[in-house]
Amino acid sequence: QSVLTQPPSASGTPGHRVTISCSGSSSNIGSNTINWYQQLPGKAPKLLIYNNNQRPSGVPDRFSGSKSATSASLAISGLQSEDEAHYYCAVWDDILNGPVFGGGTRLTVL
Amino acid sequence: QITLKESGPTLVKPTQTLTLTCTFSGFSFSTTGVGVAWIRQPPGKALEWLALIYWNDDKRYSPSLKSRLTITDDTSKNQVVLTMTDMDPVDTATYYCAHRPSYSGSHIAYDIWGQGTMVTVSS
Repeated sequence: QSVLTQPPSASGTPGHRVTISCSGSSSNIGSNTINWYQQLPGKAPKLLIYNNNQRPSGVPDRFSGSKSATSASLAISGLQSEDEAHYYCAVWDDILNGPVFGGGTRLTVL
Repeated sequence: QITLKESGPTLVKPTQTLTLTCTFSGFSFSTTGVGVAWIRQPPGKALEWLALIYWNDDKRYSPSLKSRLTITDDTSKNQVVLTMTDMDPVDTATYYCAHRPSYSGSHIAYDIWGQGTMVTVSS
């Protein structure tokens, strides 16, 4: 059971927008920056968002991140079939004194 | 171009010590802020962070696994090594190493990952 809670699944239709949530607490999301990863089937994770809302070079601006208090969200607009993947949030936890990953959300493009 | 590649045994017996090597290229481990981390993923399960070593030899470990882990670097060989003692079947997972860029500002933002190596723990 992760200290970060993500919905196990999400879905959307091509071209539309979907959001994935990550809920934590004051010791993690509430006091540290959050990061998001995309993991395509059988592949290594890929950094999508760092420092709450920054995109590494090469990540399309269809992906955006936001944070409010002890929760964070990843939004994907203009949904594409290639976006089908697992998405993980990750943040440092001050109480655990270590980073934690969320349990992951499987995104299905209908 | 930054690349990382994990290597090590694919099968270890319970109670044995696992040694994994991450061989990297395309960046200097002497650059301020740079780090290399290890993360694992049991089959069908979520990611689990293990350890991180920084350019200045600052080392961080998963609190729940700290007593079993050691991370070291050999800059002359462009390698980072992770050892995990007292292996158990629950440690069966794909083990990844990843690059922590100097710009990330977070202990857990890794921009380049290796392909991963599957380790099975079984007698």
